Amino acid sequence: DGGITQSPKYLFRKEGQNVTLSCEQNLNHDAMYWYRQDPGQGLRLIYYSQIVNDFQKGDIAEGYSVSREKKESFPLTVTSAQKNPTAFYLCASSRSASSSYNEQFFGPGTRLTVL
Amino acid sequence: GDSVTQMEGPVTLSEEAFLTINCTYTATGYPSLFWYVQYPGEGLQLLLKATKADDKGSNKGFEATYRKETTSFHLEKGSVQVSDSAVYFCALSEAAGGFKTIFGAGTRLFVKA
Repeated sequence: DGGITQSPKYLFRKEGQNVTLSCEQNLNHDAMYWYRQDPGQGLRLIYYSQIVNDFQKGDIAEGYSVSREKKESFPLTVTSAQKNPTAFYLCASSRSASSSYNEQFFGPGTRLTVL
Repeated sequence: GDSVTQMEGPVTLSEEAFLTINCTYTATGYPSLFWYVQYPGEGLQLLLKATKADDKGSNKGFEATYRKETTSFHLEKGSVQVSDSAVYFCALSEAAGGFKTIFGAGTRLFVKA
């Protein structure tokens, strides 16, 4: 079964700690995305990657970092510089980032809570 | 820049009622339009899409028609079920926006038995 996996589903972090959220896809998609979703709100783009070893900042990149060393993997690190990191984080992929026709496929999400 | 505006929720309906969720958009060129659905505690999944004017996307009894003249993509279903309770997101993607997907704020639907 092709799809996107995110782990862990729930994550608790103490203030001042960095934490890394995992995202893996076996759809052979070129593009991958990270979104943040706050209660009752839409999705805000954190980072995206069109190809391996390349990524761009989205609308709310401050306090976050990513890497794209493999096509299948796009981990997101939430650093201590992120002032309000408690949120639901969604990873997505699409066949290409250079077409408007391609829909995005989403993982199940990771709910991060800062204690 | 590009934007998507959806009707505010929550929308509460009884089972078998008719559903409309309004969506309008602002875009520079000719975007593709999408409806995604999010069930509680899950990620989003594509419900339907349309890539050019007058196209109708449909899936699982839901329909939406790409209306360029009114810049709208309203979601409709003739008879909702309790299992349709979810949050629905309208979205667009176009070349002028770097092919990034712009999402609306989402509309929560509750269907009562």
